[in-house]
Amino acid sequence: QVQLVQSGPEVKKPGASVKVSCKASGYTFSTYDISWVRQAPGQGLEWMGWISPYKGNTNYAQKFQGRVTMTTDTSTSTAYMELRSLTSDDTAVYYCAGGTNFDYWGQGTLVTVSS
Amino acid sequence: EIVLTQSPATLSLSPGERATLSCRASQSVGSYFAWFQQKPGQAPRLLIYDASNRATGIPARFSGSGSGTDFTLTISSLEPEDFAVYYCQQRSNWPRTFGQGTKVEIK
Repeated sequence: QVQLVQSGPEVKKPGASVKVSCKASGYTFSTYDISWVRQAPGQGLEWMGWISPYKGNTNYAQKFQGRVTMTTDTSTSTAYMELRSLTSDDTAVYYCAGGTNFDYWGQGTLVTVSS
Repeated sequence: EIVLTQSPATLSLSPGERATLSCRASQSVGSYFAWFQQKPGQAPRLLIYDASNRATGIPARFSGSGSGTDFTLTISSLEPEDFAVYYCQQRSNWPRTFGQGTKVEIK
């Protein structure tokens, strides 16, 4: 069965960077695009961006342009999302989602930004 | 950016009742529209894609309708496990956007 398994929780200081991984299994990695979505505590879902593992194309939300980088490693079937210059407003659960329709979701990675 | 507005914010119903959730888009998204369910501490789950297609394993009591700018998610008879937050989402345009959510709570 399709599974997306994300890396563990992170605690970062303001100004630092975080890199979250999302390892896919149960399907051919290049088949499904990967999107990243975050959810601040008690808030709704916020789309951050998208990457095509097949071509490496990306599309980022304007809010994160210049601060986020999404990559994939097809040799390990893993997608990555790096977010730089963190502030307390970046404290959230970060999800990867696979498929055109966001069919499959990782379990989420809590990133806490605190001094 | 396409703004999705969900109504109501909260829906208080009893098990067995019918739930009707709405989502309106600020411009047409065709049928590139989805509904998700999220329970506390869990990742969202895809319920409906392309406005009216149930995702794999989703019970028949969930149905979606609409096109263009107005969409509806109907739960024909609420089961205890259906009390959750529901989000709509469009994939017609970049950036992809979500509605703010509708909480379906037990009355």
